[in-house]
Amino acid sequence: NSKVIQTPRYLVKGQGQKAKMRCIPEKGHPVVFWYQQNKNNEFKFLINFQNQEVLQQIDMTEKRFSAECPSNSPCSLEIQSSEAGDSALYLCASSLWDWGGQDTQYFGPGTRLLVL
Amino acid sequence: TQTVSQSDAHVTVFEGDSVELRCNYSYGGSIYLSWYIQHHGHGLQFLLKYYSGNPVVQGVNGFEAEFSKSDSSFHLRKASVHWSDSAVYFCAVSARNYNQGKLIFGQGTKLSIKP
Repeated sequence: NSKVIQTPRYLVKGQGQKAKMRCIPEKGHPVVFWYQQNKNNEFKFLINFQNQEVLQQIDMTEKRFSAECPSNSPCSLEIQSSEAGDSALYLCASSLWDWGGQDTQYFGPGTRLLVL
Repeated sequence: TQTVSQSDAHVTVFEGDSVELRCNYSYGGSIYLSWYIQHHGHGLQFLLKYYSGNPVVQGVNGFEAEFSKSDSSFHLRKASVHWSDSAVYFCAVSARNYNQGKLIFGQGTKLSIKP
């Protein structure tokens, strides 16, 4: 069973409000991924980190999304100004590092964001 | 561009039946293929993964999957399903050696188990 911790489990925000969610990866996993899963079960990769460094991220239009993985603190994903279309399940996953992508990603329970 | 296709949106079987959930992928290079399960209201739980060697991969809870390069498929099977197997199943692909390991998911197959 995965030991990735995500908080909060549920988040309700009004349009224009900030929404912040956190993730604690499995112990010893240096790589963290964030994905967005919408109500149609479509997944969008958002960003990934190795330790504190960004490896890859999508073109987060309007710069509304920001993420970080500081040393000795939970990783976080923040939406600066929430929009209705941001309503989704945000999933954090962690893995060991392998340049070939071999290592399995283990997911947390997700943060379900509802933007009213 | 990598794509993953799960042709069946919904599969219904009786408890104790066997089941096969289909996954086809499109990619020209070397890849890793995985299956995940998502119970209602929960995150994704890893089932199994193929990256080389024996094309039949054993996973948790009696699931197995078979990789076929010729068919570009990675179908998931279970010989005898239990009611607790009711969930949505996702097939995922990641490319070797680039894309930093990000997963590309299929559309998901909802498995319903009748008593």
